[in-house]
Amino acid sequence: EPEVTQTPSHQVTQMGQEVILRCVPISNHLYFYWYRQILGQKVEFLVSFYNNEISEKSEIFDDQFSVERPDGSNFTLKIRSTKLEDSAMYFCASIGGNLRSSPLHFGNGTRLTVT
Amino acid sequence: GNSVTQMEGPVTLSEEAFLTINCTYTATGYPSLFWYVQYPGEGLQLLLKATKADDKGSNKGFEATYRKETTSFHLEKGSVQVSDSAVYFCAFDGDNAGNMLTFGGGTRLMVKP
Repeated sequence: EPEVTQTPSHQVTQMGQEVILRCVPISNHLYFYWYRQILGQKVEFLVSFYNNEISEKSEIFDDQFSVERPDGSNFTLKIRSTKLEDSAMYFCASIGGNLRSSPLHFGNGTRLTVT
Repeated sequence: GNSVTQMEGPVTLSEEAFLTINCTYTATGYPSLFWYVQYPGEGLQLLLKATKADDKGSNKGFEATYRKETTSFHLEKGSVQVSDSAVYFCAFDGDNAGNMLTFGGGTRLMVKP
């Protein structure tokens, strides 16, 4: 079964550094997402992406965050200047159509640790 | 605002015990409701869903019924197995929110042999 793949599985970075989290969604999917989960807390929506542009974003997704689909297969999340509170598990997800008819497929996540 | 409240874990049960994980939601409109499961080291997977009031979602022996009058979507299983040990997330989409999910905090289930 096709799956969403995320790399790396664990990223450690120093505060103030830029990080790029990478995702390869399922190839025929049209909608792409980033969610995050701070340790012990709920899974939070960050951003959705459709037709090469952001369709929705949450309050968390401020100017420090950006997303890109540079080559038609990868979907990346960039954090320009990481803060300690950005430490979390980041999940990429994709879907072929509507949530009510198709499941959202999640990757295994990238654990980001900011020191 | 929109939110999901789940019972806090961890929930520890013996094999073959009955499971209930409570979930209530606050949302405008008529959301669809979902349960996602996260096995150790993996991403979230859709377990079951219900798209309208009184619908029952079911999968792998798990069931949940969409109760609009109590705004609840409690997850149940009659006889849990060790392999059911995971974190379970209740979630909903807003009918005007496109494909965005709002998740609860997750409930860790530990099943002992």
